[in-house]
Amino acid sequence: EVQLVESGGGLVQPGRSMKLSCAASGFTFNNYDMAWVCQAPKKGLEWVATISYDGSSTYYRDSVKGRFTISRDNAKSTLYLQMDSLRSEDTATYYCARQWTTVATYYFDYWGQGVMVTVSS
Amino acid sequence: DVVMTQTPVSLSVSLGGQTSISCRSSQSLVHSDGNTYLYWYLQKPGQSPQLLIYKVSNRFSGVPDRFSGSGSGTDFTLKISRVEPEDLGVYYCYQGTHYPRTFGGGTKLELK
Repeated sequence: EVQLVESGGGLVQPGRSMKLSCAASGFTFNNYDMAWVCQAPKKGLEWVATISYDGSSTYYRDSVKGRFTISRDNAKSTLYLQMDSLRSEDTATYYCARQWTTVATYYFDYWGQGVMVTVSS
Repeated sequence: DVVMTQTPVSLSVSLGGQTSISCRSSQSLVHSDGNTYLYWYLQKPGQSPQLLIYKVSNRFSGVPDRFSGSGSGTDFTLKISRVEPEDLGVYYCYQGTHYPRTFGGGTKLELK
């Protein structure tokens, strides 16, 4: 059974940093691209970032480029999201998701339970 | 960005009844490879999203045949027949054809 368990959320002040982790199990982690998707309170879903299966390539939505860093440790089957210079608009639930990638497209086939990040003074 | 517009925003249904949700994209979702990369997710209350349908009409593993997807180009529909309590929640469409990938705003399915 695929399991993705996020940790590391909480309350943080604007301008500060936070690091999220996602522990994966039930599949061969280093065979899959992975992603973070967020959901602001009472809002819809937004893709945040993707990392390739081997960590060699990363992709970000424009609003987080230069502030967020996605990374992975395949030996530990763990995905990370380093969030710097946080803003109030980054307040959201962040989901770790396994990404199914083909030449033409990608989608998210399994998701974690999510972790809440609140950016407020 | 491709805007995905879902209608209605919310709808009420009776258990055992049938309903449908519409998703319209601001651009055609037909990829240059000929495929249409439109997906449907369900987010049950207090849970993370789960994949229901991929590439317009294909049910994901374990999804009952009460769920069916259809459509082409810019107009897509998710139909749910014989609605059960576990079908309640928010449904999202998602397009994987254009960058950046985008989700619809969601349709909340509630009991009548």
